[in-house]
Amino acid sequence: AQSVSQHNHHVILSEAASLELGCNYSYGGTVNLFWYVQYPGQHLQLLLKYFSGDPLVKGIKGFEAEFIKSKFSFNLRKPSVQWSDTAEYFCAVNGAGNNRLAFGKGNQVVVIP
Amino acid sequence: KAGVTQTPRYLIKTRGQQVTLSCSPISGHRSVSWYQQTPGQGLQFLFEYFSETQRNKGNFPGRFSGRQFSNSRSEMNVSTLELGDSALYLCASSLRGDWSTEAFFGQGTRLTVV
Repeated sequence: AQSVSQHNHHVILSEAASLELGCNYSYGGTVNLFWYVQYPGQHLQLLLKYFSGDPLVKGIKGFEAEFIKSKFSFNLRKPSVQWSDTAEYFCAVNGAGNNRLAFGKGNQVVVIP
Repeated sequence: KAGVTQTPRYLIKTRGQQVTLSCSPISGHRSVSWYQQTPGQGLQFLFEYFSETQRNKGNFPGRFSGRQFSNSRSEMNVSTLELGDSALYLCASSLRGDWSTEAFFGQGTRLTVV
């Protein structure tokens, strides 16, 4: 079964600081990887995804993530955060050909102006 | 285009009652997945429907059930509600349900069991 681990559930940082959120997954086969964001009171939105090809993936709002197959990791980064990045971030994995998405427990990120 | 619509947005029920939640997917999408979101457990997969057939089910008791209609709208039902069923229930719609194409989430139904 596929599973996802996210650490440091609560992250507080100041505007302009850099953000990195760790994500490790457990699955023996080919995976599709995702980062979703949930802004306060809003629905889950896709930030970026990785299916194949270049392991460095760029998403919306200046976010990027790097897939490191040997480490079973898909860490999310943003060089300089803004107050509007305050949200909960979820890493998710789908075993290729599978029709369920396994989510991590999320990172609550608070950016202080 | 219209997004994924979940109704109702908020619901308060008493222990022992049953509840039905509805999800209308994006037009043309045939797959609907349901997730339960709680602060302690995060997002957990409930089930997925495609063309009126349940293709996959998560590790939830039989009190949780669902169905999908010919127009792809889906309902989930929880019988004999327990306090621990209080959660945000999310549905996601996609073309095929294999996550190779983008899935879109609704805003969820917030269920409170008292």
